[in-house]
Amino acid sequence: EVQLVESGGGLVKPGGSLRVSCAASGFTFSNGWMSWVRQAPGKGLEWVGRIKSKTDGGTTDYAAPVKGRFTISRDDSKNTLYLQMKSLKTEDTAVYSCTTDSFPYAFDIWGQGTMVTVSS
Amino acid sequence: DIQMTQSPSTLSASVGDRVTITCRASQSISSWLAWYQQKPGKAPKLLIYKASSLKSGVPSRFSGSGSGTEFTLTISSLQPDDFATYYCQQYNSYSRTFGQGTKVEIK
Repeated sequence: EVQLVESGGGLVKPGGSLRVSCAASGFTFSNGWMSWVRQAPGKGLEWVGRIKSKTDGGTTDYAAPVKGRFTISRDDSKNTLYLQMKSLKTEDTAVYSCTTDSFPYAFDIWGQGTMVTVSS
Repeated sequence: DIQMTQSPSTLSASVGDRVTITCRASQSISSWLAWYQQKPGKAPKLLIYKASSLKSGVPSRFSGSGSGTEFTLTISSLQPDDFATYYCQQYNSYSRTFGQGTKVEIK
């Protein structure tokens, strides 16, 4: 079964750091580009950033609100995607979900998400 | 960055109605446009990719059209399971952008 499972969410104080993970199974993770998407409570979907496959250079791109604070990485040996978040702000409070990111299928497979709450 | 504008924000309709949602891009995205359905507390579900290609397993009452900057999602005959929020998304550029969403409510 094709599956993405996020973990690592929680409560963190403003200015703090947190790393969330996304474990992939049921497909060839190393071949795929991956994205993170977040959704603040009661709000719409917001793209956070993307990492390409190592064969395509493994490069990353980020949305403007998180650029310089968030870092996406991957460990293909563990079929795991990571999102390292630093200098967190209250407006980063959201459910963070990982998703496959491919042409032509866009965001085909989604995880259920992990909640990150930034509050003092 | 490419901006995506969806309309309407909310739509009230009845079972059996034909429903159309529009998405406009701030610059040409060719056909790199996807549509998603999301229900409360659930992950989004891909319906349409590359503007008009129906994902396998998605009911044929869903269809997409458009290219360049103007796109539409049509539900030919609204079913009870279709009451949800719908998002468009561009994936033409190095970044990806979602529309703000359209909530389809029961009239």
